Formats: sequence, structure tokens, C-alpha cells
Amino acid sequence: GEDVEQSLFPSVREGDSSVINCTYTDSSSTYLYWYKQEPGAGLQLLTYIFSNMDMKQDQRLTVLLNKKDKHLSLRIADTQTGDSAIYFCAEPNNQAGTALIFGKGTTLSVSS
Amino acid sequence: EAGVTQFPSHSVIEKGQTVTLRCDPISGHDNLYWYRRVMGKEIKFLLHFVKESKQDESGMPNNRFLAERTGGTYSTLKVQPAELEDSGVYFCASSGGRLGTQYFGPGTRLLVL
Repeated sequence: GEDVEQSLFPSVREGDSSVINCTYTDSSSTYLYWYKQEPGAGLQLLTYIFSNMDMKQDQRLTVLLNKKDKHLSLRIADTQTGDSAIYFCAEPNNQAGTALIFGKGTTLSVSS
Repeated sequence: EAGVTQFPSHSVIEKGQTVTLRCDPISGHDNLYWYRRVMGKEIKFLLHFVKESKQDESGMPNNRFLAERTGGTYSTLKVQPAELEDSGVYFCASSGGRLGTQYFGPGTRLLVL
């Protein structure tokens, strides 16, 4: 079955750049997503990328997609304390319906 | 436009009791999904409604879980009887089309003692 893996991440200092990595298994995924969960809150759609793109930039966020290696990354520039959260990558379960398959999540801790 | 809402935000019950979670999707969204994240594990899909019909319930863990979406609007997820391993966060999401982006609610944090 599909499995989405995410990197662990150490804490970062405010102002630094953060990179969160994700490896997915289904090369037929049309979209790939990044969700953010702040403490005590729900899942917030952060950004997504179409599979025919290599890169997408959205303000401080840069998503890189390497389809050959099935690797997805999220770069946060000028990381702020408000970026402290759990970040999940997700892909559609293309084998059955449209459910999302999530990675285990990467906890980003930003210190000032 | 209101987002996906869930009720209650938290629920603490004893093993063997019944709990009913409610989800109100974004108005006009035909697709409604339930997911859950048990402690320390991934967010896992439970089931998918298209309007009032169950499109995919392959993620439902066992027959103690019953989901309904009468009238194709809000949905309920009932756990009866609840077990300790049901503790976790239950998320609901909705989308406007089959391949539409899923928007999540804040989740219901369920603790079974």
C-alpha cells in the first residue's frame, strides 16, 4: 500500500529557513498537498502543487517536487514563531476514491 | 464563507459509552470525509460521502463506528461502544468536486477513559 514518509526536523531559530521533506509512493498523484496543524487547532491547507510542476512559490513558502525520486519538500523562508506547528504532506489515494494519505507529520519548533 | 465546523471540540467519555460527533461541511460541498489521528500515528482516512451516499468506507476500523449523512448536509459519526483505542482526534473535511481540495475542520478530540 501507499506510504508517505516525512523527515524529522530539529528546532530552528527565528529568521532562519526551514525545510521539511516528504517521500511519497504513488507517481500517478495529480496533486500533492501540505497541511499545517497549529497547537490545539485543526488542519489548515497550506499549499499544494500540481504534479506537472517542479516548483511553486507562495510568499515565504516554496514547494519543490521531484517526480523521479517521488520527493516533495516545503521550504519556509524567514521562519517565524507563528510557523511552529506540525506539517503534514498528503497525496490522494489513487487506488481507491479520493481519500488523502498523510505522512506522519513533522513538528517544527521555532525559537526566538 | 463559513468553513468546516465540528462539534464537540472535545469529548471525554468512559469505555463502553457512546459518543456522537458532528460535522458541518462547507455549504455546497457534496464530498464529506472523516479522518482520525490516534496518538502518535498518522492521520488515517475513515470514510467518504458523496451527498448522502457512502462512496468509500474502507477505512472504518470496525462495526462500532457508524457514520451517517442524512439529507446530504451535515454528517454524524457515532462510536458505540467506545474503547480506549478510539481516543484521538477526529477530523472532518469537505470538498466541492471529486478531485477538489479538501478543507478540514478543527477536529474533535476524543478521550476514552
